Parts: sequence; structure tokens; C-alpha cells
Amino acid sequence: NAGVTQTPKFRILKIGQSMTLQCTQDMNHNYMYWYRQDPGMGLKLIYYSVGAGITDKGEVPNGYNVSRSTTEDFPLRLELAAPSQTSVYFCASSFPPGQGATGELFFGEGSRLTVL
Amino acid sequence: AQSVAQPEDQVNVAEGNPLTVKCTYSVSGNPYLFWYVQYPNRGLQFLLKYITGDNLVKGSYGFEAEFNKSQTSFHLKKPSALVSDSALYFCAVRDEAGGYNKLIFGAGTRLAVHP
Repeated sequence: NAGVTQTPKFRILKIGQSMTLQCTQDMNHNYMYWYRQDPGMGLKLIYYSVGAGITDKGEVPNGYNVSRSTTEDFPLRLELAAPSQTSVYFCASSFPPGQGATGELFFGEGSRLTVL
Repeated sequence: AQSVAQPEDQVNVAEGNPLTVKCTYSVSGNPYLFWYVQYPNRGLQFLLKYITGDNLVKGSYGFEAEFNKSQTSFHLKKPSALVSDSALYFCAVRDEAGGYNKLIFGAGTRLAVHP
């Protein structure tokens, strides 16, 4: 199984450019998430989605947008890239808890973004 | 609000010695706790979880974790460390605010196992 797949793995952007990080999962998970990882800061939740057509903000949503048109895909868009968005981005997915699942997340390999 | 704390940025252990990576939590209600491991340039991998039941939880790669309700701790342990255990370890707690499942992560602890 592929699990959670993220593209691209690496990207360098100039300030003000836009881009979309792609995420797809083949586990039929309802829930999907975007986290960013900064050194010494752990993972911070950017946005999450509980199903197609439903998204909500996490801890650090400013500067990002998401959409969820299908169960499988959850792209993250950066509209005007800033140096503060230099980070490693992780997409994750899970089943809803209470349906025989206990809420653990399955992660992609990450996308390393540098904004110069 | 739910939170977890990992008080050590780094833990150094000699190969063959027991290891402990500490985690404390703050939750309202029953805690759902997780440990993940991250190897260099990789995503996070699930190690183990505590939902209910026995306070000692066994997980992948010989790791286990001890849930202590009175001390609000969930420390990760292994009886005999391997050099290949060197990685970044994250403790997490489930947050159900708003009725949705999310994980809140600690800052991470880097484990260095020396030959």
C-alpha cells in the first residue's frame, strides 16, 4: 500500500510566489491533516478535514488555504510565500475515532519548503 | 486545552543500556496518548498508544510506555537500546475539541544511542 503520498519532496520558492503541496491517501480515511514541523517546535496543525467538502483551521492557518473535493486528496496552498513559511510540511490521515479506530495518524514522508 | 510536554531536548544512552524518554500531559477527560518516531528525512511512524486498560503498553521495535495517571506521565522505555534507535521521538495527545479528532504533539526529544 502507498499510504499517504506527498509531492513535491523539496521545493525552493521566492518571496511572494505561490504553490500547492499535494497530498493523497489510499486508505479511505475520512480525516486528513496538514502539519508543519520547525526545529525544536514539534508539529503544529495548520488545517484539517473530516471529510470531503469540510475543512477547518488548526493552530497556525495564516498564509495557507486548503480544499477537500475528494476523500483521497487534501492539497495545501501557499498564496504569497514568506520566509516564515520555510518548514517541513507533513500530511497525515486517520479514521474517525469510535469506529473501531483509536485516532492514530498515518503520515506522509514530508515536503521540505524553503522560501528565499 | 490538551497539551503534552517533553522536558528533555536530547537523551544520550549507551548501547545495551535501558532508555527512557519522558512525556507529561494535561488533558480534560480521559487521555488518549501516543508515541511516534521520526528517522532523518522521513515522516513520523506510529510506535504505540494508550487508550485504556493496562498501564504498560507494548509497541513496535521493542518499545513500551508506562502510563501513570497520578503523575500525568507517559514515559517511553526500552530495556536495551540499539544504535539504530537513534531518532527523534514525539509524544502526542488526542484533542477532541469541537468534536473532531486531532493530535497535539510535544516538541520532540532526540535520542542518541552511542556504541
